[in-house]
Amino acid sequence: AQKVTQAQTEISVVEKEDVTLDCVYETRDTTYYLFWYKQPPSGELVFLIRRNSFDEQNEISGRYSWNFQKSTSSFNFTITASQVVDSAVYFCALSNYQLIWGAGTKLIIKP
Amino acid sequence: EAQVTQNPRYLITVTGKKLTVTCSQNMNHEYMSWYRQDPGLGLRQIYYSMNVEVTDKGDVPEGYKVSRKEKRNFPLILESPSPNQTSLYFCASSLGEAGGSSYNEQFFGPGTRLTVL
Repeated sequence: AQKVTQAQTEISVVEKEDVTLDCVYETRDTTYYLFWYKQPPSGELVFLIRRNSFDEQNEISGRYSWNFQKSTSSFNFTITASQVVDSAVYFCALSNYQLIWGAGTKLIIKP
Repeated sequence: EAQVTQNPRYLITVTGKKLTVTCSQNMNHEYMSWYRQDPGLGLRQIYYSMNVEVTDKGDVPEGYKVSRKEKRNFPLILESPSPNQTSLYFCASSLGEAGGSSYNEQFFGPGTRLTVL
């Protein structure tokens, strides 16, 4: 069975702190993709990153970074020097023909 | 501008009154999908379509219908809505790809908030 677990329902930090959002997935397939999406308070879903199962290189994009570890079936997302505009619900998703979503982590950045 | 549009954005209706939520994309994408989002459950797929005239059930298809007569449109139909279909609905599209259309980034519509009384 395929499954995505985002164990952190809600995280609250003060602005400028670093924060890591955890994502653990389950799949028996060797080929799959992992995604992160952001849903700000306005409600739209914004694509952040896609990573395939054969590429374990970490990725950095500005203040955002992603750590993909197949050994622990995790694809964690870190925001460095968080800002109030980062407040949103963040979803991790696993794809192999069908996109399986985690329940999401609500991130609150306090000024 | 490349986009997925949904209408209406908000809808309040009563049990049993048939309704249609439209979805249209202008990116010539083969793959389209409908999701519902409920608190604590993330997004769950209702139906998807790999191309024109090809549709298939997702995880929660009961109570919904779809059609794909044209590439750009993928309406969601609730023949007899019930209160448990109160939810936030998203339409999405992506490029088709051999081996799995959902491998690609999905572009989402703005969402339709449906309340069934």
